[in-house]
Amino acid sequence: DGGITQSPKYLFRKEGQNVTLSCEQNLNHDAMYWYRQDPGQGLRLIYYSQIVNDFQKGDIAEGYSVSREKKESFPLTVTSAQKNPTAFYLCASSIASEAFFGQGTRLTVV
Amino acid sequence: EDQVTQSPEALRLQEGESSSLNCSYTVSGLRGLFWYRQDPGKGPEFLFTLYSAGEEKEKERLKATLTKKESFLHITAPKPEDSATYLCAVQSDNYGQNFVFGPGTRLSVLP
Repeated sequence: DGGITQSPKYLFRKEGQNVTLSCEQNLNHDAMYWYRQDPGQGLRLIYYSQIVNDFQKGDIAEGYSVSREKKESFPLTVTSAQKNPTAFYLCASSIASEAFFGQGTRLTVV
Repeated sequence: EDQVTQSPEALRLQEGESSSLNCSYTVSGLRGLFWYRQDPGKGPEFLFTLYSAGEEKEKERLKATLTKKESFLHITAPKPEDSATYLCAVQSDNYGQNFVFGPGTRLSVLP
């Protein structure tokens, strides 16, 4: 089945730690995105990539980093510089004008 | 700057009670308007894309319409399984392939 796979589903981070969220797609889509969702708020764009080896910052990129070494993969690292990382993280990919989402990773700082 | 607002923030309906959700947008050069359904703890599920004013799309009990300033998601005779958060998003000339999302409307359908 084609789709977008995010892992893990739940992730716990200690203060000062970096953690990496995985996003893999087998839809052959060029564009991939990372969004953050907080309760009662819309999705906010963290980073996006239109093509392999290229990515741009979104609206809230501070404290996050990404890589796009393969078309299928777009991992997101939440660094210790992100002061309030507890949120629901969503990865998406798109071709033309439709975006498809993974099932999300819920990150909690403990 | 592109903006998307949705109303109401939350809506409670009795099963069978039809209603509409609103998505208002301010963009420079609309490329597309999108509706998604999101269940708690899950990723958004694509419903519709609308490209130009006057366009309508239907799927089961849902019908989406588009004007030059807003979109409506009409829900006819809803069932409890229609309970979810409905998200609206736009693509525009300002942001190319990126999407700007509204905050969503949380719909509850009571049996």
